[in-house]
Amino acid sequence: DAGVTQSPTHLIKTRGQQVTLRCSPISGHKSVSWYQQVLGQGPQFIFQYYEKEERGRGNFPDRFSARQFPNYSSELNVNALLLGDSALYLCASSLGFQETQYFGPGTRLLVL
Amino acid sequence: AQSVTQLDSQVPVFEEAPVELRCNYSSSVSVYLFWYVQYPNQGLQLLLKYLSGSTLVKGINGFEAEFNKSQTSFHLRKPSVHISDTAEYFCAVRERSSGTYKYIFGTGTRLKVLA
Repeated sequence: DAGVTQSPTHLIKTRGQQVTLRCSPISGHKSVSWYQQVLGQGPQFIFQYYEKEERGRGNFPDRFSARQFPNYSSELNVNALLLGDSALYLCASSLGFQETQYFGPGTRLLVL
Repeated sequence: AQSVTQLDSQVPVFEEAPVELRCNYSSSVSVYLFWYVQYPNQGLQLLLKYLSGSTLVKGINGFEAEFNKSQTSFHLRKPSVHISDTAEYFCAVRERSSGTYKYIFGTGTRLKVLA
């Protein structure tokens, strides 16, 4: 079975631009969570979605937004990019919002 | 809010030697605990998890961890490491907050296995 997939794998943007990252969960999983991992640190929670509804949000500014589609895939959008947004963005899927989360390979974003 | 402390940022160990990676968490209520491994330029792979039951949890690749409620610890162990175990290891606790379940991660321990 395919695991969590994310696209693109790498991305380079400049300050002020906007970016959209995509995630496809494991088949049958209905919950997607997003995390940001800055170099040298552990992942930080950004959002959790379940059945297309936002279940929770971490301590991130409103420049960060996300949505989940009827097929349970998800997009993370970041507006007005800052240098500090450079990080590995990880998507995790789970059967339900309480279940064990399985992570994808991540999208590495570099903001110049 | 819960927190996770991984006391060792780096652990060098010779091949075939045993290793222990330490993890302490802050919560005093029932917890779900996880260990993930991250190989260079990759995402996180689940090694093992503690949800309830036996305090000794066995995972993939020969790793195991022991949940110790009195010491609020969940240390990861392997009796004999291989070069291929070189990676970053993250301990995490699941936290329920305002209707969501998020994972709180430690800062990671870099395991370097030496030949």
